[in-house]
Amino acid sequence: EAGVAQSPRYKIIEKRQSVAFWCNPISGHATLYWYQQILGQGPKLLIQFQNNGVVDDSQLPKDRFSAERLKGVDSTLKIQPAKLEDSAVYLCASSLATGRHTEAFFGQGTRLTVV
Amino acid sequence: AQSVTQLDSHVSVSEGTPVLLRCNYSSSYSPSLFWYVQHPNKGLQLLLKYTSAATLVKGINGFEAEFKKSETSFHLTKPSAHMSDAAEYFCVVSDNNAGNMLTFGGGTRLMVKP
Repeated sequence: EAGVAQSPRYKIIEKRQSVAFWCNPISGHATLYWYQQILGQGPKLLIQFQNNGVVDDSQLPKDRFSAERLKGVDSTLKIQPAKLEDSAVYLCASSLATGRHTEAFFGQGTRLTVV
Repeated sequence: AQSVTQLDSHVSVSEGTPVLLRCNYSSSYSPSLFWYVQHPNKGLQLLLKYTSAATLVKGINGFEAEFKKSETSFHLTKPSAHMSDAAEYFCVVSDNNAGNMLTFGGGTRLMVKP
């Protein structure tokens, strides 16, 4: 079974530039998550989708971050304009929608450096 | 609201000695609990999960965790550490009443000395 695919793996941009990350979840997984992991910290949820609807985006800085999941499959996360403090690894994960105790499967992440 | 506290940011053990990584959680409802491991430059991998079928949960690579509701704890243990166990470990809580939202602890870096 193919895992969660993310691209690019690495990205370096200057502050105030924009950047986009892409995620392809495991086939059949209705739930998709985007997490931000700052160096030395645990991942923090940015947004959670159920199919193409948003379940939770309470921690997404909506003035600069946006995410979409068209057709309930692939997803993109965008930052515009980027700030230095956005330097982090952005993790995408997916899980089956139904049932308790359903674990999430994670991609390898995109490491963003803002200079 | 749900939260997770990993009591140690760093744990250092000698190879062959036991490992204990501590985790306490807070959840309004009966939670789902997970331990994930993150090796350098690799993705997060599930070690084990609590499914409410048994309080002692066995995972991969010889790890296990015990769910103690009275103590709101879910500590991770391994009888004998191996050099390959050196990694970052995350305790995660999921509240089914919050749409399966996963909340991570701050992580514990496990170092294994030869």
